[in-house]
Amino acid sequence: EAGVAQSPRYKIIEKRQSVAFWCNPISGHATLYWYQQILGQGPKLLIQFQNNGVVDDSQLPKDRFSAERLKGVDSTLKIQPAKLEDSAVYLCASSQLQGMSSYEQYFGPGTRLTVT
Amino acid sequence: ELKVEQNPLFLSMQEGKNYTIYCNYSTTSDRLYWYRQDPGKSLESLFVLLSNGAVKQEGRLMASLDTKARLSTLHITAAVHDLSATYFCAVEGTGGFKTIFGAGTRLFVKA
Repeated sequence: EAGVAQSPRYKIIEKRQSVAFWCNPISGHATLYWYQQILGQGPKLLIQFQNNGVVDDSQLPKDRFSAERLKGVDSTLKIQPAKLEDSAVYLCASSQLQGMSSYEQYFGPGTRLTVT
Repeated sequence: ELKVEQNPLFLSMQEGKNYTIYCNYSTTSDRLYWYRQDPGKSLESLFVLLSNGAVKQEGRLMASLDTKARLSTLHITAAVHDLSATYFCAVEGTGGFKTIFGAGTRLFVKA
């Protein structure tokens, strides 16, 4: 089975510019996650979708970050405008859904963002 | 608020030795995960622990869960260099929401 796909793999932008990341989850996975991983730290959940609805976005900086999941499949994460502290790897993950809980998450390769 | 603490954060060990990584969490959880991350790579799932007393083993790694103590352990037996990586535990909040990751344990196994 194909894994979680992300693009681009690398992006360098200047502060105050905007950027968008794309994620295609594993087919049939109802739950999709976006994480931010700063160098040397564990992943931090930004937003969690179940099908095309948001179930948690409490740690998403909503003044500059936005995310959507159209038709419950692909998702995009946007940053506008970017700040230096947004430099990180952005990981997308997906999981199956069983009842109210999700199974283990499968992670994509990530997008490494550098803001200069 | 769910918090997850791992220790140690850094571990350097000799090949052939045993060691345990600890993961403590602060509130009731539905399930706990262990992941491995190699430098510059994404995360790979190792174990999913669903209930109190759960124990899973794969090769030289064994994970266990004590929900009453809110503690999970990842035990390494007779370490080999290939196990060098960062290991994360992640705890899922009740209802399947908001997975919180620990800071990670950077393991280096010396030949």
